[in-house]
Amino acid sequence: NAGVTQTPKFRILKIGQSMTLQCTQDMNHNYMYWYRQDPGMGLKLIYYSVGAGITDKGEVPNGYNVSRSTTEDFPLRLELAAPSQTSVYFCASGIPGLLHTGELFFGEGSRLTVL
Amino acid sequence: EDKVVQSPLSLVVHEGDTVTLNCSYEVTNFRSLLWYKQEKKAPTFLFMLTSSGIEKKSGRLSSILDKKELFSILNITATQTGDSAVYLCAVERGNAGNMLTFGGGTRLMVKP
Repeated sequence: NAGVTQTPKFRILKIGQSMTLQCTQDMNHNYMYWYRQDPGMGLKLIYYSVGAGITDKGEVPNGYNVSRSTTEDFPLRLELAAPSQTSVYFCASGIPGLLHTGELFFGEGSRLTVL
Repeated sequence: EDKVVQSPLSLVVHEGDTVTLNCSYEVTNFRSLLWYKQEKKAPTFLFMLTSSGIEKKSGRLSSILDKKELFSILNITATQTGDSAVYLCAVERGNAGNMLTFGGGTRLMVKP
């Protein structure tokens, strides 16, 4: 039971570098999300997707891009890394609907440091 | 702008104590309120509440929602060291994406 898998778990970037955080889920969930969590804070929504080919901005989308070409994968791209993007990133998936529980299934997180 | 506020920010108790964690919210198109427990890594789901006054219970944990006053509480009785974690409250909006807005969390430390 893989669930939601994120890679890498840790990464250090220099200012201005680019990288992609990978996220894949094997539960056939339509809804996928990217959150960031700064130290001592709650989670803030970066982007979300309600299905393949559909993405939308969350609360804090600046500096990030996403794509959703398949149901399983939802990568998050940082184009020009900045120190303000130092955070722990969580990918999550869910299946809202009449019978849904509201539960999101989270990946283990990716800790990103920008120096 | 949607807002979810949790209190207290942190709490230190001893094993056996009872704790109450608070979550107040302001959100458009409210659908549900969820509680998560976060230990070292990803949050894990505890409860989802949609109706006022109906207590959800799981072992020593229980939670209730007040939709008139816009808050929820999470109670933990007979605390154990394994309850030490950050407890996150989130509110779900009933529109496209069913987005969750999270509060800042309450950090609970239970001492032996």
